[in-house]
Amino acid sequence: SAVISQKPSRDICQRGTSLTIQCQVDSQVTMMFWYRQQPGQSLTLIATANQGSEATYESGFVIDKFPISRPNLTFSTLTVSNMSPEDSSIYLCSVKRNTEAFFGQGTRLTVV
Amino acid sequence: SQELEQSPQSLIVQEGKNLTINCTSSKTLYGLYWYKQKYGEGLIFLMMLQKGGEEKSHEKITAKLDEKKQQSSLHITASQPSHAGIYLCGADHSGGSNYKLTFGKGTLLTVNP
Repeated sequence: SAVISQKPSRDICQRGTSLTIQCQVDSQVTMMFWYRQQPGQSLTLIATANQGSEATYESGFVIDKFPISRPNLTFSTLTVSNMSPEDSSIYLCSVKRNTEAFFGQGTRLTVV
Repeated sequence: SQELEQSPQSLIVQEGKNLTINCTSSKTLYGLYWYKQKYGEGLIFLMMLQKGGEEKSHEKITAKLDEKKQQSSLHITASQPSHAGIYLCGADHSGGSNYKLTFGKGTLLTVNP
């Protein structure tokens, strides 16, 4: 398995502000991902975080709103920018190791 | 329509009963993942299936992938309150390039003591 530390675990933020979520993995992984889980919904992939290059975003998600950094093979950040109440969700990072995929504990974001 | 359909949406069982959750894909599955999620928390990896006809077990949970690789089932034997939570299936439809997981909407399991 993989040990994934995600911070913060939860936050309440004012609309218009930004929040940066950190994801630290216990060992090097090639593939890291960021997902969003809106209230009562399943997980949706936001982007694949690529080490040394720009993230690859899924349809409906843009870099200006969700900038991602991946400075090395064990760490990534996701920023939720200019937040609105619609951004209230759980954000999860995930890593793929061999054939298995593991998730962090998630960041529960509430925007007021 | 959804690429990945999970059923049932919710399930309430008495402790000790067996139960099955299904996950049906509209595309060929190159990998099928089962996770458990406690409310508002992260996902706990249960099992991953790749080969048609494959079956894996862990403690009282068994997962199968059918021969055509478009459907999987998760079976819990002699359920316990600790099994309660949301069960999610995730599918790899990519076959290697552009790997990503698509998720079903989840099954909420309640186990009454």
